[in-house]
Amino acid sequence: DAGVTQSPTHLIKTRGQHVTLRCSPISGHKSVSWYQQVLGQGPQFIFQYYEKEERGRGNFPDRFSARQFPNYSSELNVNALLLGDSALYLCASSLGGQETQYFGPGTRLLVL
Amino acid sequence: QKEVEQDPGPLSVPEGAIVSLNCTYSNSAFQYFMWYRQYSRKGPELLMYTYSSGNKEDGRFTAQVDKSSKYISLFIRDSQPSDSATYLCAMSDTGRRALTFGSGTRLQVQP
Repeated sequence: DAGVTQSPTHLIKTRGQHVTLRCSPISGHKSVSWYQQVLGQGPQFIFQYYEKEERGRGNFPDRFSARQFPNYSSELNVNALLLGDSALYLCASSLGGQETQYFGPGTRLLVL
Repeated sequence: QKEVEQDPGPLSVPEGAIVSLNCTYSNSAFQYFMWYRQYSRKGPELLMYTYSSGNKEDGRFTAQVDKSSKYISLFIRDSQPSDSATYLCAMSDTGRRALTFGSGTRLQVQP
């Protein structure tokens, strides 16, 4: 079975631009969580979605938004990119949001 | 002060050594504890998942939780060069929605 998949793998943007990152959870998993991992740090929680509803939000500005689709895949959107948004963006899936989370390979975003 | 503190290392050991990785935490609401392994430029991979205080063993890995001291450990026996990676501790409260991670310990096992 395929694990969590994310696209694209790498992305380069300039300040002020907008970016959309995509995630497909493990088959049968209905919950997706997003994390930001800055170089040298552990991942930081951004959002969790379950059955298309937002179930949790971390301490991130409103420039960050997400949604989940009927097939349980998810998008993370970041507006008005800042240099500090450069990071590895990780998607994790779980059965129902309260179980073990399994991570994808991440999307590496570089903002110039 | 961070909710989860983890020694960043790097930790360098010879092949076959016993490795001890540790995290301390301040939030007594944390009830679920995990260890993830992350290879360079990859996503974290779940190694161990524990709930209660005490030890849990899986092959060469042993996770230890001491809730009274707010301290968790991961022991790796007979370490191998393939164990070279960053080890992240993670924990969550009873809602189990958001994971709070340590900053990771970089481990290098020398052949």
